[in-house]
Amino acid sequence: EPEVTQTPSHQVTQMGQEVILRCVPISNHLYFYWYRQILGQKVEFLVSFYNNEISEKSEIFDDQFSVERPDGSNFTLKIRSTKLEDSAMYFCASERRGSWGTEAFFGQGTRLTVV
Amino acid sequence: QKEVEQDPGPLSVPEGAIVSLNCTYSNSAFQYFMWYRQYSRKGPELLMYTYSSGNKEDGRFTAQVDKSSKYISLFIRDSQPSDSATYLCAMSARSGGYQKVTFGIGTKLQVIP
Repeated sequence: EPEVTQTPSHQVTQMGQEVILRCVPISNHLYFYWYRQILGQKVEFLVSFYNNEISEKSEIFDDQFSVERPDGSNFTLKIRSTKLEDSAMYFCASERRGSWGTEAFFGQGTRLTVV
Repeated sequence: QKEVEQDPGPLSVPEGAIVSLNCTYSNSAFQYFMWYRQYSRKGPELLMYTYSSGNKEDGRFTAQVDKSSKYISLFIRDSQPSDSATYLCAMSARSGGYQKVTFGIGTKLQVIP
C-alpha cells in the first residue's frame, strides 16, 4: 500500500541552525500538508501546498518557515533559525480526493529536537 | 471556546468492553469528520471518515455524527489490547477549496488484557 515517507526520523539541531525536513508524498496525490505536534499537545496545522504554492498557512508558520517541492516528488519544510520551542514531531500529509470525499494520509513523522 | 473539544483521558477498559470516545465542536462550517488512531511516537492513521450525520460502521468500529448537537462519537466493540492508542477526532471545512484538518487533543485509551 502506498505511504507517505518522511526523513529523517529524528533530527537533533542546535538553536539557531537551519533544518530541512523531507517528505515523499503518495505519488498521485496533489495536496500536501505539514502539521506539528509538540509533546503532550494536539496535532496542529502548519501549511497546505497545492500546484507548487502555499494555499493556506497558520499563524505558527511565520517567516522562519518555508516549504517547497523542488523536484516534483519531495516536499520539504525548512526552518531557517530554529528555536527551542520548535522541538516537536513534524508530520507530512498528502491528500487524495474523489467523488466520495477526501482523505489525508500521514507520514510517520520527524522528531525535531532543538538544543 | 475551542473549535474542537476532546477529553484527553486516559481511559482504561478491560478487554472485550465497548469503548465510547467523543468530541464536541463549535464551528458549524465543519463538514468532514474523521477519527485517527495514533500509536506512541507514530503518525496519525485514518480509521473512519464521514461527512454526514448518522452512523458509519467498519468492522468493530462505528462512527457517529450529530451535526445538530455538534457532537461526534467513535465506538469500538470487543476492544482488544492492540486497540491501546491515542484516538484523535478531526474535522475539516472547505477553506479556500482545500482541506485543513483541525484535530482534537486525543483520548488515550488503554485496553487491559
